[in-house]
Amino acid sequence: ETGVTQSPTHLIKTRGQQVTLRCSSQSGHNTVSWYQQALGQGPQFIFQYYREEENGRGNFPPRFSGLQFPNYSSELNVNALELDDSALYLCASSLPGQQADGYTFGSGTRLTVV
Amino acid sequence: AQTVTQSQPEMSVQEAETVTLSCTYDTSENNYYLFWYKQPPSRQMILVIRQEAYKQQNATENRFSVNFQKAAKSFSLKISDSQLGDTAMYFCAQRLGGSSNTGKLIFGQGTTLQVKP
Repeated sequence: ETGVTQSPTHLIKTRGQQVTLRCSSQSGHNTVSWYQQALGQGPQFIFQYYREEENGRGNFPPRFSGLQFPNYSSELNVNALELDDSALYLCASSLPGQQADGYTFGSGTRLTVV
Repeated sequence: AQTVTQSQPEMSVQEAETVTLSCTYDTSENNYYLFWYKQPPSRQMILVIRQEAYKQQNATENRFSVNFQKAAKSFSLKISDSQLGDTAMYFCAQRLGGSSNTGKLIFGQGTTLQVKP
């Protein structure tokens, strides 16, 4: 049973709209990362949050933003949606310092932009 | 720059047989970690096995083992006694350690593995 929960599971939005995706991290995990996975591709790192601060970012424009809350839940916000934003968005959490353990992933949110 | 390459888009294996998935990577760092993840149709990314770069001994987890060749920057996954439940997409991934750690996992393009009965 996964300790990382994402909502919603599926979402359809119109180009130009804004979207918020949510993630509830595994208990005790205060580091959360977000990834974008296009169909048939490997996930791409968007950013990481630790103690409510962004401390790592991939090659994504500023219209991709995030928040992490004191209870370690987090949000991914995407403004001005484009058709290429259609993808599976994965949230992953880990304990700080547990670099060798990898991440615990959620099952993702499938976003379709039309 | 970090890169991870999986050159086998699709593979198949008969149930109970052994299959090896290939992965090569590139980094200029000495402190890093390598992972194999499994992604079934349920979409959840599941950690299969991990390897610390400073360890020479190849990691093993039950039916799963790796062949880590640091000088060649190769990290292949061997699945023994393949089971129908092993059918999934497999991703090789790398993460930097130490002060270079930003939490960023670099994934390969994935290999779709089908186990046939």
